[in-house]
Amino acid sequence: KQEVTQIPAALSVPEGENLVLNCSFTDSAIYNLQWFRQDPGKGLTSLLLIQSSQREQTSGRLNASLDKSSGRSTLYIAASQPGDSATYLCAVDTGRRALTFGSGTRLQVQP
Amino acid sequence: GAGVSQSPRYKVAKRGQDVALRCDPISGHVSLFWYQQALGQGPEFLTYFQNEAQLDKSGLPSDRFFAERPEGSVSTLKIQRTQQEDSAVYLCASSPSAGAYTGELFFGEGSRLTVL
Repeated sequence: KQEVTQIPAALSVPEGENLVLNCSFTDSAIYNLQWFRQDPGKGLTSLLLIQSSQREQTSGRLNASLDKSSGRSTLYIAASQPGDSATYLCAVDTGRRALTFGSGTRLQVQP
Repeated sequence: GAGVSQSPRYKVAKRGQDVALRCDPISGHVSLFWYQQALGQGPEFLTYFQNEAQLDKSGLPSDRFFAERPEGSVSTLKIQRTQQEDSAVYLCASSPSAGAYTGELFFGEGSRLTVL
């Protein structure tokens, strides 16, 4: 059974810092990995999708990498802003269309 | 509407009551998913519809949970004889694609169920 782990569970940083969120998964037979953002009381918003054949994806200040063989992904956030405060979730798709999510990293960016 | 709409947003039920949660996906979206998110956890898959066909219900935790999408649009998740462990946020998501996952997945804001 696929298991997804995210470290750290919570992170607090001052505004302007660069930071890295980690995601690991137990079964490397994935189709893709996706990072989502969740604001309190809201649904999930997709940030980046990395197909299994890709190594990384970039969108603005966000960069996500994927190392399928080692079962790891990182989300890099450059020059963090208070508006980046949210919970970040990674999820893997093993081809069933049912995503397996980690428990998330709760990020607080202090102004 | 422009997004995925879920109702009610909040539901309080007494243990043993039946509840029905509604999801109105983005118009024209073929795929519809239900997820359950317990406090402090990531969402867990419940079930998946392609149009009106329920193609995967492997995540439904017990036979008290039932989902339907009779006309391939609006979906209802029904929970019978609710238990305290059913307390969670129930998220609905829709996607325009039916084949390989393209990452186009749009979530509603969820229905928060509290069972007393």
